[in-house]
Amino acid sequence: DAGVIQSPRHEVTEMGQEVTLRCKPISGHDYLFWYRQTMMRGLELLIYFNNNVPIDDSGMPEDRFSAKMPNASFSTLKIQPSEPRDSAVYFCASSSFLGDYEQYFGPGTRLTVT
Amino acid sequence: QKEVEQDPGPLSVPEGAIVSLNCTYSNSAFQYFMWYRQYSRKGPELLMYTYSSGNKEDGRFTAQVDKSSKYISLFIRDSQPSDSATYLCAIPPPGNNRKLIWGLGTSLAVNP
Repeated sequence: DAGVIQSPRHEVTEMGQEVTLRCKPISGHDYLFWYRQTMMRGLELLIYFNNNVPIDDSGMPEDRFSAKMPNASFSTLKIQPSEPRDSAVYFCASSSFLGDYEQYFGPGTRLTVT
Repeated sequence: QKEVEQDPGPLSVPEGAIVSLNCTYSNSAFQYFMWYRQYSRKGPELLMYTYSSGNKEDGRFTAQVDKSSKYISLFIRDSQPSDSATYLCAIPPPGNNRKLIWGLGTSLAVNP
C-alpha cells in the first residue's frame, strides 16, 4: 500500500482565499483523522471520521474550517476564508478498528497564509 | 493541568549517549502508552507502545511505564545521529474511541 496520501504538499495563499487540503487514507482503514501541527501548540486533533461519518469535530477552531469524507477513500479539509494564523502543517492519518490504536500519518501539507 | 505533559527540549547529546525522554500524565485510568517518532518534514510514525506497567524493549529502545507516578519514559541506548528527530508520547483516553492525547514532543539532536 502507498500509505496515506496528502495533497498538495505545500500551499501558499493570501489571506481571505479558500484553501482545500486533500487526503486519501490507507485502503481498508475505517478511521480518518485531521490534525494541525505548530511549534507552540504541537499536534492538535481537528476532526475524525469513522466509516465516513464525523465523530468528533470539537477541535475545529471555528466555522471557517470544514471537513468532509464523501467516501472511504477520500477526505477534504477546507478553510474559507484563510487567515495568517492558519499557517501550520496539516496532517491526515488513518487507522483500522481491527488493529490497536496505531495511526498512520501522511506526509502533511505545509500551509502558509500571507 | 494538561492531560499529557512533555518537555519540548531541545535535547542535544553526543553520539553513543543514553537518552531519556519523558512524559507525565494526569489520568490514572490511562492504560496504553505510545511513542511516536517524527523526522523533520515527515509525519509521525509509531515507534513503540506499552500496555499498563513495566518495561518493553526493542533493540536500542526501551519504553517504561510507572503508573504510581503517572510517568512514562523512552530510553535510547547507544544513540545515533539517525535518532535525531522529535519524539512524541501519545495516550488513548479510556472509552470506545480512537482519539489519542498527544504530548508536545521532545526535539532530539544526536551529534556525531
